[in-house]
Amino acid sequence: SQQGEEDPQALSIQEGENATMNCSYKTSINNLQWYRQNSGRGLVHLILIRSNEREKHSGRLRVTLDTSKKSSSLLITASRAADTASYFCATAPGGGNKLTFGTGTQLKVEL
Amino acid sequence: GAVVSQHPSWVICKSGTSVKIECRSLDFQATTMFWYRQFPKQSLMLMATSNEGSKATYEQGVEKDKFLINHASLTLSTLTVTSAHPEDSSFYICSGGLLYEQYFGPGTRLTVT
Repeated sequence: SQQGEEDPQALSIQEGENATMNCSYKTSINNLQWYRQNSGRGLVHLILIRSNEREKHSGRLRVTLDTSKKSSSLLITASRAADTASYFCATAPGGGNKLTFGTGTQLKVEL
Repeated sequence: GAVVSQHPSWVICKSGTSVKIECRSLDFQATTMFWYRQFPKQSLMLMATSNEGSKATYEQGVEKDKFLINHASLTLSTLTVTSAHPEDSSFYICSGGLLYEQYFGPGTRLTVT
């Protein structure tokens, strides 16, 4: 079963705008990861945030984690058309490296 | 980052036939690999954990006799879809990697006619 629910399911923005995606999960975690998937392709690891971290940055990406609410958000700043993809959060309930993915957000960045 | 390859990238087969998909870790050794299935516009669903030198462990609801997994070496896991049916048409993705970071293959698109 899905561990995480993401919203929105789909998001369409203009290039240059910021995109925010949210993920909620159900069980306690050691870390939460975000992945990107271009249409019909494999997944690319974007960022990992540990359970004792509240915020993490990587380039134009900013991830927050609120373990009390069991939620995380991914912010992409100054979006580009090349950011068009599906974004998934993933956790490993119980630890280890067996990932359970959220439902995903389809982001479309228009010129 | 590490690289995982899959072969083939896409395959079309007739109903009732079997199809083998290979997943290779190119620059690291993977004692464990994972197989996922993804239907259009949906998320990845874990099918099974492939363990080098031992039997795979399957998620609830996944038929082990239909989806045969072999992990014969530290760099190769194979998924064989036996007696494929149109409902098995999907995107199959494997992954392998370190404890907190998985590297995903590019996926295999299976279409059963």
